[in-house]
Amino acid sequence: GAVVSQHPSWVICKSGTSVKIECRSLDFQATTMFWYRQFPKQSLMLMATSNEGSKATYEQGVEKDKFLINHASLTLSTLTVTSAHPEDSSFYICSAGLHEGAFGNTIYFGEGSWLTVV
Amino acid sequence: EDQVTQSPEALRLQEGESSSLNCSYTVSGLRGLFWYRQDPGKGPEFLFTLYSAGEEKEKERLKATLTKKESFLHITAPKPEDSATYLCAVRSNQAGTALIFGKGTTLSVSS
Repeated sequence: GAVVSQHPSWVICKSGTSVKIECRSLDFQATTMFWYRQFPKQSLMLMATSNEGSKATYEQGVEKDKFLINHASLTLSTLTVTSAHPEDSSFYICSAGLHEGAFGNTIYFGEGSWLTVV
Repeated sequence: EDQVTQSPEALRLQEGESSSLNCSYTVSGLRGLFWYRQDPGKGPEFLFTLYSAGEEKEKERLKATLTKKESFLHITAPKPEDSATYLCAVRSNQAGTALIFGKGTTLSVSS
């Protein structure tokens, strides 16, 4: 079945540094990927929609200069948290979508990446 | 504005005690209602997609149903390994291809 992989699973970084999280679709091509953020015991909040070959679309309130998204190929999207601060510590999850077809409307999620900023 | 509300927030069951989780939604043109299971510290695991009222899907002890206003996830004779947070999400004409999630129902099944 379709699989979405995220890397790293967890990362600790110092305040002021940047950290990159990768999201890969392993057995299908994804023209669209989505980045979510989840705080403890909260639901998933959509941050941005990543479109292959074009600029990402950010949700209201999400700083595009802080959360840089690059979707350079049909199987890879990256989220870079720039100048990280402790309040950026969270669980970041990506999902991948297809043109409706072989996989219909199923949307698969990665395993998530824990970011801790110290 | 698209909205998804799940109830209850938390549910405790004894092993074998069947129950249902509710997902109420208001959307501008439903393009799919999704159920996911999420274990602590993990990404959501896909369970079902429902597209139209009256549709039902089953997987092991789980059965999802859909009406024009809500969806139910029925759990029959649950086991402790069914303990998890169950998330409901919708995709609508307004949301485009993104999913809008409810807050989830945390299920605990004790033996």
